Amino acid sequence: QKEVEQNSGPLSVPEGAIASLNCTYSDRVSQSFFWYRQYSGKSPELIMSIYSNGDKEDGRFTAQLNKASQYVSLLIRDSQPSDSATYLCAVDASGGSYIPTFGRGTSLIVHP
Amino acid sequence: EAQVTQNPRYLITVTGKKLTVTCSQNMNHEYMSWYRQDPGLGLRQIYYSMNVEVTDKGDVPEGYKVSRKEKRNFPLILESPSPNQTSLYFCASSSDGYYEQYFGPGTRLTVT
Repeated sequence: QKEVEQNSGPLSVPEGAIASLNCTYSDRVSQSFFWYRQYSGKSPELIMSIYSNGDKEDGRFTAQLNKASQYVSLLIRDSQPSDSATYLCAVDASGGSYIPTFGRGTSLIVHP
Repeated sequence: EAQVTQNPRYLITVTGKKLTVTCSQNMNHEYMSWYRQDPGLGLRQIYYSMNVEVTDKGDVPEGYKVSRKEKRNFPLILESPSPNQTSLYFCASSSDGYYEQYFGPGTRLTVT
């Protein structure tokens, strides 16, 4: 059974700070990794996808992947109150399975 | 506009009364899936479909049925709903099971 682990939080950061969200996964053959943002009562929305080791930047968001350590993270620079949400880490379907695995999410609170 | 739609958005029903939640996507995606989301348990996949007439079980398929007769539609059927199926349901689509998914707005189901 593949596992994706996230700290449930809440992670509280002041406005303008860097928020760092972390995720570990159990399946070494996983190839694709995703971060989704979910506001309360709303559907998950894709923020970032990353497929190779290293950093990938998109605006204020940076995804970091380390396959050797089975670790993926999301950095949010210049955090805004509108970033307050739950962030879901997801790992691709792999090993013949077509079922992606989601972590339970980290709640982020950005306070003014 | 590229989107995944679900209907109804809210549904309150009684134990044993058959219901169907519809899902439709306009992105010509081959892969569609259904999830349920419960507090503390995260997103769990119920069923997925790789293409028309091709469906398979996810992690929590008991008590649910699906069909994929057209590429754009993927209805979720609860033939005899029970209170433990009270949950928030999301339909999602993707060009491939290995890539990012696009989620519908969700259906909040209450079974009494």
